Amino acid sequence: DAGVTQSPTHLIKTRGQQVTLRCSPKSGHDTVSWYQQALGQGPQFIFQYYEEEERQRGNFPDRFSGHQFPNYSSELNVNALLLGDSALYLCASSSTGGAGYNEQFFGPGTRLTVL
Amino acid sequence: GDSVTQMEGPVTLSEEAFLTINCTYTATGYPSLFWYVQYPGEGLQLLLKATKADDKGSNKGFEATYRKETTSFHLEKGSVQVSDSAVYFCALSPISSGSARQLTFGSGTQLTVLP
Repeated sequence: DAGVTQSPTHLIKTRGQQVTLRCSPKSGHDTVSWYQQALGQGPQFIFQYYEEEERQRGNFPDRFSGHQFPNYSSELNVNALLLGDSALYLCASSSTGGAGYNEQFFGPGTRLTVL
Repeated sequence: GDSVTQMEGPVTLSEEAFLTINCTYTATGYPSLFWYVQYPGEGLQLLLKATKADDKGSNKGFEATYRKETTSFHLEKGSVQVSDSAVYFCALSPISSGSARQLTFGSGTQLTVLP
């Protein structure tokens, strides 16, 4: 089991550009959540996708958008990049079946630097 | 809204010392509580969890008890090892079972254990 995978590992962009980050969930998982972790801070929830729809959203502007594909993989898109968007972007996957709490498993993240 | 307040670091201990990292939370209802650990260059790993009041989560010698009366979930370990050096995050989720919801994280505590 490969676990949650993310690509690319690192990315450098300039202000105003657009970026797409990708995530493949753990095998058997159908829900993907995205988090932004600024340097020295805890992760902040961006949004969650299930059945190809955005189900929950945190306090992030519309510049942040996403997509989930039929194979449950997901993309995070950020438009009009700002310096403040520089962060580690974490993807987490979980399942909706079974009893009890369904744990979120995190990927290693994509480090985005905006210059 | 929900929030998590975590003991600020960094924390530096000698091997075999006792560890406590304080965590308090603000939430409506009955959230689930978690401790995650982040090793250098890696994503977050779930260390332990508790889904109802007075539950004790434990793993790898770490323990934390869900105290609703004090809204706390302090992390403890009786004897730390050099390999425990990492960043520790306290987090909450607004539900206790079913599909995972957004996690709200504290700001993290950097632990360094010296041999």
